[in-house]
Amino acid sequence: DGGITQSPKYLFRKEGQNVTLSCEQNLNHDAMYWYRQDPGQGLRLIYYSQIVNDFQKGDIAEGYSVSREKKESFPLTVTSAQKNPTAFYLCASSSYTFNEQFFGPGTRLTVL
Amino acid sequence: KQEVTQIPAALSVPEGENLVLNCSFTDSAIYNLQWFRQDPGKGLTSLLLIQSSQREQTSGRLNASLDKSSGRSTLYIAASQPGDSATYLCAVHPSNDYKLSFGAGTTVTVRA
Repeated sequence: DGGITQSPKYLFRKEGQNVTLSCEQNLNHDAMYWYRQDPGQGLRLIYYSQIVNDFQKGDIAEGYSVSREKKESFPLTVTSAQKNPTAFYLCASSSYTFNEQFFGPGTRLTVL
Repeated sequence: KQEVTQIPAALSVPEGENLVLNCSFTDSAIYNLQWFRQDPGKGLTSLLLIQSSQREQTSGRLNASLDKSSGRSTLYIAASQPGDSATYLCAVHPSNDYKLSFGAGTTVTVRA
């Protein structure tokens, strides 16, 4: 089955820790995205990658970092510099930049 | 900056009634508009994608219309069922930006 997988489903972080969220797709899509969702707010873009080894900051990139070494993988690291990381994180992909986006099941991150 | 609004924020209807969900956007220069469904604690499921040149798109009981000049899209769900209970989000792809702009969503409850 083609799709997007995210792991883990739930993640707990202690103060001062960096954590990495995994996103993998087998749709052969070029573009991949990371969004953050908070209650009562629309989705906000963290980072975007159009092709391998290239990525751009979205609206709320501070405290986050990404890499795109393989077409199918786009991991997100939440660093200790992100002061309010508790949220639901969603990964998405599309065949190219302006095409239909497909989403993974999400990772819920909680700071202890 | 593109602003996307969905009103009402919540809606409750009896089973069998037709659902009408509204989405408005401020800038008519769009590439496409996408409707999603989100169940609690889950990722987004793409329902329909309407290109800027299209007036409507249909899939089963779902029909989405687009009026670019007035900055509006409407999602119609015919003969609602309890399984249609979810949050519905619309997202606009501006023609000059790679980022989707999301509305905050309409949460629908279909009463049996």
